[in-house]
Amino acid sequence: GNSVTQMEGPVTLSEEAFLTINCTYTATGYPSLFWYVQYPGEGLQLLLKATKADDKGSNKGFEATYRKETTSFHLEKGSVQVSDSAVYFCALFGNQFYFGTGTSLTVIP
Amino acid sequence: DGGITQSPKYLFRKEGQNVTLSCEQNLNHDAMYWYRQDPGQGLRLIYYSQIVNDFQKGDIAEGYSVSREKKESFPLTVTSAQKNPTAFYLCASSPGASETQYFGPGTRLLVL
Repeated sequence: GNSVTQMEGPVTLSEEAFLTINCTYTATGYPSLFWYVQYPGEGLQLLLKATKADDKGSNKGFEATYRKETTSFHLEKGSVQVSDSAVYFCALFGNQFYFGTGTSLTVIP
Repeated sequence: DGGITQSPKYLFRKEGQNVTLSCEQNLNHDAMYWYRQDPGQGLRLIYYSQIVNDFQKGDIAEGYSVSREKKESFPLTVTSAQKNPTAFYLCASSPGASETQYFGPGTRLLVL
């Protein structure tokens, strides 16, 4: 079946540090992959997506590359800001959406 | 502005009571979804609808019911049969079933 596994949090970083949040998936076929972000008390917002192998999604300084050989879609940002503090969800679409459990990120000044 | 609205932001339910959560979208999307979010867990799909007057159960439909009488609206009823309803409920919509989903701000349901 389809599933998504994310690194467990919480993650705490200093401002301007490098961020990596790991995400691996299990799927039949060729799913689309997504990263969503959730700020406190709000719904999820699409951060970026990739629809086929080797595609790179990017938005607001965040990047993730669809790696079919390692079934991964790790989220990276070169220099985080306090405003990036949120919960990040990795997701895939096969026959329906499957979400990871979320990784909480706190960036301290 | 186009978007998805959910109301109320907070909802309190008494034992044995049915409550209905509202979800409205003006994005002209065909598909709509309801998810439940519990602390430390990902989103779990309750119900989804790909067209008006049609909907399907998701992974955790027991104790919930929905209707889709209008394209814009997809209300969720939490019935008294749902024994552990305290959670954050998220509604989403997408242009089609296999496309990016857009989420509303959520409703937090608490049991008195």
